[in-house]
Amino acid sequence: EVQLVESGGGLVQPGGSLRLSCAASGFTVSSNYMSWVRQAPGKGLEWVSVIYSGGSTYYADSVKGRFTISRDNSKNTLYLQMNSLRAEDTAVYYCARVAQGEAFDIWGQGTMVTVSS
Amino acid sequence: SYVLTQPPSVSVAPGKTARITCGGNNIGSKSVHWYQQKPGQAPVLVIYYDSDRPSGIPERFSGSNSGNTATLTISRVEAGDEADYYCQVWDSSSDHSGVFGGGTKLTVL
Repeated sequence: EVQLVESGGGLVQPGGSLRLSCAASGFTVSSNYMSWVRQAPGKGLEWVSVIYSGGSTYYADSVKGRFTISRDNSKNTLYLQMNSLRAEDTAVYYCARVAQGEAFDIWGQGTMVTVSS
Repeated sequence: SYVLTQPPSVSVAPGKTARITCGGNNIGSKSVHWYQQKPGQAPVLVIYYDSDRPSGIPERFSGSNSGNTATLTISRVEAGDEADYYCQVWDSSSDHSGVFGGGTKLTVL
């Protein structure tokens, strides 16, 4: 079964760090474009970052310089390292496969990140 | 940066047709994808490449894209279609950024 399972969310203080994981099954992470999308409470979807199969990475302006997307091919897992966290980073974070480099066809269940003192 | 504009809400009676628009500058030159999200759930892809349906999505869901407007059409609306709907494109002119519309809440009367 094709599936994504996120983990690593939680409560963190402003300025702190957190690493999210997204374990894939049923397909190979490194052969696909993979992305992170977040949703603040009661708000819409916001694209965060993408990693191409070739390894190139891109970020939303709101997280550039603070977040890093990466993958571990041996573990078939996608990561999002989040540093210098702010209150406005509070959201449910979803990982998603980007089919044919275009549409997000497979989504994880999401993991909640709360940035608060 | 590229902006996608959706109406905040659309209401429709059961059995009728709902149309949800997504506006963007020359959006007809881009590939548009649509997602359905129900409360407490992850989004689900319902239309990709403007008008294609993933397996398992009812034929009642269709899409079109031309000029400055893309449209998601849901025919014979059912109570179970009540959800938030988001359009999405990639903005290759802006550092390969993903872009979502603000979302439309579909209410089935």
